[in-house]
Amino acid sequence: EVQLVESGGGLVQTGGSLRLSCAASGFTFSTYEVNWVRQAPGKGLEWVSSISSSGSHKYYADSVKGRFTISRDNAKNSLYLQMNSLRGEDTAVYYCARAQDYGGNQRGFDYWGQGALVTVSS
Amino acid sequence: SYELTQPPSVSVSPGQTARITCSGDALPKQYAYWYQQKPGQAPVLVIYNDSERPSGIPERFSGSSSGTTVTLTIGTVQAEDEADYYCQSTDGSDTYVFGTGTKVTVL
Repeated sequence: EVQLVESGGGLVQTGGSLRLSCAASGFTFSTYEVNWVRQAPGKGLEWVSSISSSGSHKYYADSVKGRFTISRDNAKNSLYLQMNSLRGEDTAVYYCARAQDYGGNQRGFDYWGQGALVTVSS
Repeated sequence: SYELTQPPSVSVSPGQTARITCSGDALPKQYAYWYQQKPGQAPVLVIYNDSERPSGIPERFSGSSSGTTVTLTIGTVQAEDEADYYCQSTDGSDTYVFGTGTKVTVL
């Protein structure tokens, strides 16, 4: 059974840092692109960042570029998101999601974790 | 930046058909994906590549595409289908975009 389990969420002050982790199991982690997607309270889904299967390619939403860093450790089947210079608008539930290539290099997110809540407060 | 536009809400009676649209300029060239999200839960993929249904998703969920608009159709709506629905695609770059989301209410 595919499982993605996030951890590391919590309360942090404006300008502070936090590192999220996502532990993967039930599939060959090293062969899949994985992503972070967030959802602010009462709002819609927002894609945050993606990392290729090898870790060589990383992409970010403009809203987090330069502040967040995505990484992975395929030996530990783990995905990470280092979040620096946090702002109030970063308050959200952060989901890790596996990207499935359905052909033609087009991908959807076929498995999601349950999410980790990050609250940024002054 | 690229946007995918959905109606904020759709209301439907049990047993009727619900249709949710998603509009974006790149949709003629890029596939769309649809997710269902119930309160307090993670999203679930219900349609991929515009019209394909993942295993385990009921047959009443279907998808279609026409020009710059894709449509998620829920046939014979049941109370359990009440949820938020999001489309997702890309503008052809290496980034992803989600639609604005549609709340489906079963009357």
